[in-house]
Amino acid sequence: EDQVTQSPEALRLQEGESSSLNCSYTVSGLRGLFWYRQDPGKGPEFLFTLYSAGEEKEKERLKATLTKKESFLHITAPKPEDSATYLCAAAGEKLTFGTGTRLTIIP
Amino acid sequence: DTEVTQTPKHLVMGMTNKKSLKCEQHMGHRAMYWYKQKAKKPPELMFVYSYEKLSINESVPSRFSPECPNSSLLNLHLHALQPEDSALYLCASSLVDEQYFGPGTRLTVT
Repeated sequence: EDQVTQSPEALRLQEGESSSLNCSYTVSGLRGLFWYRQDPGKGPEFLFTLYSAGEEKEKERLKATLTKKESFLHITAPKPEDSATYLCAAAGEKLTFGTGTRLTIIP
Repeated sequence: DTEVTQTPKHLVMGMTNKKSLKCEQHMGHRAMYWYKQKAKKPPELMFVYSYEKLSINESVPSRFSPECPNSSLLNLHLHALQPEDSALYLCASSLVDEQYFGPGTRLTVT
């Protein structure tokens, strides 16, 4: 059975304090690893797709990386508006979501 | 444009009511999905339509009935729901694997 595990469950950072979110996956026939941002009460917003180990994608203060077993979402010098839940999902037979990391950036 | 729209934004219904949720996309995507999301949990897949045909039903109770009238529209018909069905209902679409989500319908069953 496909599994996706995210850590930490919650993370509080000071504004400007860089950190990384982890996504570990066990998926048969991985077709892609996706990162989403979700604000409370709203639908997930697509951020990145990663297809192969070693691949990196960047968008503003966010950078996503992929290995054969994990993906990381690095956030550099975060701002309060980066506060959200970040979801990782792996596409195998279907899309399997992790439980998310709730990120809070304190001004 | 990567927009998926959903209506209504909020819905309150009694356990004997019949209502429908609607989803629309104009990105030419051929797969459309319904998810259910409870607070502080990830989205949970309910149904998948591929080329307007139901391809996956994740053992969802029959009080939820999906319909795909055409390649751009997806409906979810609701009947005799239970209070535990209260949740955020999300629609998504994809060309291949990359799914784009709508804003969701917040459903409350009283």
